[in-house]
Amino acid sequence: NAGVTQTPKFQVLKTGQSMTLQCAQDMNHNSMYWYRQDPGMGLRLIYYSASEGTTDKGEVPNGYNVSRLNKREFSLRLESAAPSQTSVYFCASSEQGQMNSPLHFGNGTRLTVT
Amino acid sequence: QQQVKQSPQSLIVQKGGISIINCAYENTAFDYFPWYQQFPGKGPALLIAIRPDVSEKKEGRFTISFNKSAKQFSLHIMDSQPGDSATYFCAASKAGGYNKLIFGAGTRLAVHP
Repeated sequence: NAGVTQTPKFQVLKTGQSMTLQCAQDMNHNSMYWYRQDPGMGLRLIYYSASEGTTDKGEVPNGYNVSRLNKREFSLRLESAAPSQTSVYFCASSEQGQMNSPLHFGNGTRLTVT
Repeated sequence: QQQVKQSPQSLIVQKGGISIINCAYENTAFDYFPWYQQFPGKGPALLIAIRPDVSEKKEGRFTISFNKSAKQFSLHIMDSQPGDSATYFCAASKAGGYNKLIFGAGTRLAVHP
């Protein structure tokens, strides 16, 4: 039982390049989330998917797009990377319909944009 | 603006001491207040959580104290151990908010032997 799996673990991009961060969960959770973690800022929600087939913006969606491919997978795409997107990205999942169920996080993708 | 303010940024405690981390919020619509613990190279994991209808919740050495009128809540770690050394995040969310947590900036705790 792997929980939430994120790939890649590390990535270096040049400004303007694009990439997709992958996330998969094996807990049969309905809801999935993408957060970014920056020093002194905590974790900020980029996008979330309350259930398969739906996605919504979080606090800091600009410069990102997401796809809920199926119930297990939720990907985050950077179309034209910028240095301000240098961060550690975390995917998480939770039960929907269960009030305040815990978020289960992956181990993150460390992205550097030069 | 930061909706959940957390202090201190870093904390050093001796083994066996009490670690205290504080958070304050403005939005009275928040009704769920969890604490997450994060070890280096790992994602955060839920440690303990509280709802506003209680003033305190204890799980082992970890206690949340909640002051609804002051809009503040805190984490107390009793008998702190080196294995507690981690970054701690407070968070808050609204009822029916699909678990969209708003996190504090984090506190890096170091427990020295």
